[in-house]
Amino acid sequence: GAGVSQSPSNKVTEKGKDVELRCDPISGHTALYWYRQRLGQGLEFLIYFQGNSAPDKSGLPSDRFSAERTGESVSTLTIQRTQQEDSAVYLCASSLRRLLGVQYRHEQFFGPGTRLTVL
Amino acid sequence: QQQVKQSPQSLIVQKGGISIINCAYENTAFDYFPWYQQFPGKGPALLIAIRPDVSEKKEGRFTISFNKSAKQFSLHIMDSQPGDSATYFCAASSNDYKLSFGAGTTVTVRA
Repeated sequence: GAGVSQSPSNKVTEKGKDVELRCDPISGHTALYWYRQRLGQGLEFLIYFQGNSAPDKSGLPSDRFSAERTGESVSTLTIQRTQQEDSAVYLCASSLRRLLGVQYRHEQFFGPGTRLTVL
Repeated sequence: QQQVKQSPQSLIVQKGGISIINCAYENTAFDYFPWYQQFPGKGPALLIAIRPDVSEKKEGRFTISFNKSAKQFSLHIMDSQPGDSATYFCAASSNDYKLSFGAGTTVTVRA
């Protein structure tokens, strides 16, 4: 079936502008995540949505970053007043909680990412 | 600060050789250790994962070794193939959803 999709694939913006990044998760996946991947670095957790529960926003780096999710479907990550240090690949993942061995874990399926460049 | 330290940053191996990537952690609450493989322009994909009550797990040519007392774990890629050329991330988790990732290792397999 279809995997996680993200749009746009590339976004170039000017410093100070707002950007919106979109994620379409795998149908039926209750959990959705946003990560930031800076060049040559690992994935940095930003935010986690699980069903109707309050999202875990503990990874958002500043109040310029926000994200919304409608039910168990599309999510948008908004970055206001973009700065050059916001340049990165923004990855979205979705998952279903299931038993992996003897633990319940979320096996996360990632989208291809949106490459954001702030000039 | 980075909760999972990964090394080396990059490695080159000849076809048929063994690639070894190491990770270390400090948080003893971590109880799930997955490895992800990422090809250029794609998102990471789960490769293999291990729990701390197991010292080794093998899936095909990929093996995770886990040393709980040393708080280290490693990925071995046996009989490395050019198609294994990718970036590999180790990760760790102490709950059922939040992963802390290492910085990644770029593996290049020369034919």
